[in-house]
Amino acid sequence: EPEVTQTPSHQVTQMGQEVILRCVPISNHLYFYWYRQILGQKVEFLVSFYNNEISEKSEIFDDQFSVERPDGSNFTLKIRSTKLEDSAMYFCASSLAGVVTDTQYFGPGTRLTVL
Amino acid sequence: QKEVEQDPGPLSVPEGAIVSLNCTYSNSAFQYFMWYRQYSRKGPELLMYTYSSGNKEDGRFTAQVDKSSKYISLFIRDSQPSDSATYLCAYLPGSARQLTFGSGTQLTVLP
Repeated sequence: EPEVTQTPSHQVTQMGQEVILRCVPISNHLYFYWYRQILGQKVEFLVSFYNNEISEKSEIFDDQFSVERPDGSNFTLKIRSTKLEDSAMYFCASSLAGVVTDTQYFGPGTRLTVL
Repeated sequence: QKEVEQDPGPLSVPEGAIVSLNCTYSNSAFQYFMWYRQYSRKGPELLMYTYSSGNKEDGRFTAQVDKSSKYISLFIRDSQPSDSATYLCAYLPGSARQLTFGSGTQLTVLP
């Protein structure tokens, strides 16, 4: 069964450093998403991406964050100048592009720890 | 008032019990209602989705929506140890793809 994959599973970085989280969405999916879950808190939407541009973004997704589809298979989230409060589990998801209710399939997540 | 309220549990039941999980929401823009299941160290996985008031059944799972009360429920019949997970309610407005999640209820089904 196709699945969303994410690398690395755990990333440790120093405050102020840049990190890139990588995702490989399901191959025939056209919508891509990033969500995050701070320990003990809700899963929160960050951004959706379609046709090589941001479709929707939340208030959390400020200038510190960027997303990119660098090739035909990868989808990345870049966090510039990481802060302690960026420590969280980051989930990538993908869906078909038919209707707004197309199922979003989530990857296993990347745990980001900022020291 | 929080947009979505969900009892975090934890909830522990014996195998075979009927489980009831609940969420309330305040945003009238929510039109689509989902239940996700999240196992430890995994991403959320869609269990059920509905958009209208009433019940929707899928095997041992029943989702119930009451739009007038802004209340949704998930019932699990004949619960199994493999149902042990965190259950997240989630909502979509009609016009956007950004899911809004509840905080999740941690369920343990004891053999």
